[in-house]
Amino acid sequence: GNSVTQMEGPVTLSEEAFLTINCTYTATGYPSLFWYVQYPGEGLQLLLKATKADDKGSNKGFEATYRKETTSFHLEKGSVQVSDSAVYFCALSDDGRGGSEKLVFGKGTKLTVNP
Amino acid sequence: ETGVTQTPRHLVMGMTNKKSLKCEQHLGHNAMYWYKQSAKKPLELMFVYSLEERVENNSVPSRFSPECPNSSHLFLHLHTLQPEDSALYLCASSSGLAGYNEQFFGPGTRLTVL
Repeated sequence: GNSVTQMEGPVTLSEEAFLTINCTYTATGYPSLFWYVQYPGEGLQLLLKATKADDKGSNKGFEATYRKETTSFHLEKGSVQVSDSAVYFCALSDDGRGGSEKLVFGKGTKLTVNP
Repeated sequence: ETGVTQTPRHLVMGMTNKKSLKCEQHLGHNAMYWYKQSAKKPLELMFVYSLEERVENNSVPSRFSPECPNSSHLFLHLHTLQPEDSALYLCASSSGLAGYNEQFFGPGTRLTVL
């Protein structure tokens, strides 16, 4: 079945450091790929998405490129801020039934950014 | 209210209690989902409803009983739970239209079973 593997955390960085969180996937067909973020005490929010190979999703300074040849969707940010401290989830869409869409999630990577 | 709301935000219950979690979406979506988020484990999809019909039930114990009376509301009825059921329960919705597969999540209900 489809699956997502993302780097184990936690990741601790200083403010303005470069961030990479690795994500690779296994899927049949052509899934969409997502990064979700969960801030403390909140639900998940969509951070960015890409729907086909070579698409780049971007939002709030974060970027990820859909690489079909390496089955990867790594999350990057050039300069992190304390407010980026959260748990980040990589996910792919898996065709659901009856008009629904299943998402397959990675285990999450906790990021802490220190001032 | 906008987006996806969940009530209560926190719930403590004994193993013999019966309680219900409520989810409401104000987005005009047709599909709704229940997830369980436990520490150190990936998000687990529990149930999926599309147009008020259950289309997915991922081997969830019968002590969890979902109900979807209309496309805006989703409930999770709980009875005779176990301590290992303590977790954050997240509700989500999506449009149900082909190609629009983003899910919107509520803030979750933090459940503690004593």
